[in-house]
Amino acid sequence: NAGVMQNPRHLVRRRGQEARLRCSPMKGHSHVYWYRQLPEEGLKFMVYLQKENIIDESGMPKERFSAEFPKEGPSILRIQQVVRGDSAAYFCASSPSSRRQETQYFGPGTRLLVL
Amino acid sequence: RKEVEQDPGPFNVPEGATVAFNCTYSNSASQSFFWYRQDCRKEPKLLMSVYSSGNEDGRFTAQLNRASQYISLLIRDSKLSDSATYLCVVNSLRNYGGSQGNLIFGKGTKLSVKP
Repeated sequence: NAGVMQNPRHLVRRRGQEARLRCSPMKGHSHVYWYRQLPEEGLKFMVYLQKENIIDESGMPKERFSAEFPKEGPSILRIQQVVRGDSAAYFCASSPSSRRQETQYFGPGTRLLVL
Repeated sequence: RKEVEQDPGPFNVPEGATVAFNCTYSNSASQSFFWYRQDCRKEPKLLMSVYSSGNEDGRFTAQLNRASQYISLLIRDSKLSDSATYLCVVNSLRNYGGSQGNLIFGKGTKLSVKP
């Protein structure tokens, strides 16, 4: 059973370009979470999605950031017009259900560097 | 007050030592608690869940004190491979019909075990 997959693992963008980060949850998992980790900081929640639905996007910046989890295919975190402050590690996690104490399994992350 | 606070360390200990990490959380209504481990430039991995009665997994013991809103992790007989950053994690309180929602991470405590 493959784990959570994220690609690309490393992404370099120039200021003003778009970044697309992909996450394929573990098989059988329908709940996806995106977190961001700035250098020397803890992980911060961004958005929680189920298939075709955004459940909670309270941690997402209001502008330039969007996320989706379509019926088919991976979840996508999209950052438009990137700025240097977007440089961070972006982790995706998935879980099979929304029960309390349910473990969230993390992918290897995408490291975004904005030049 | 931060939602989850940890001593950042670093804790530098010799092999075989016993080391304890502490963590406090601000919201008394939090329900689920975890310790994750994060190696340098890797994703967080679940070490253990923390239960009110305390729980043990080999050399690792976790304790929860709800009255003091305090979580601890004890590592006995430290190994070189224990060197990592240990993340204290609590669930959010958002309720999506029973969902645990997103996780709130502390910044982590860095442990370095020396030969």
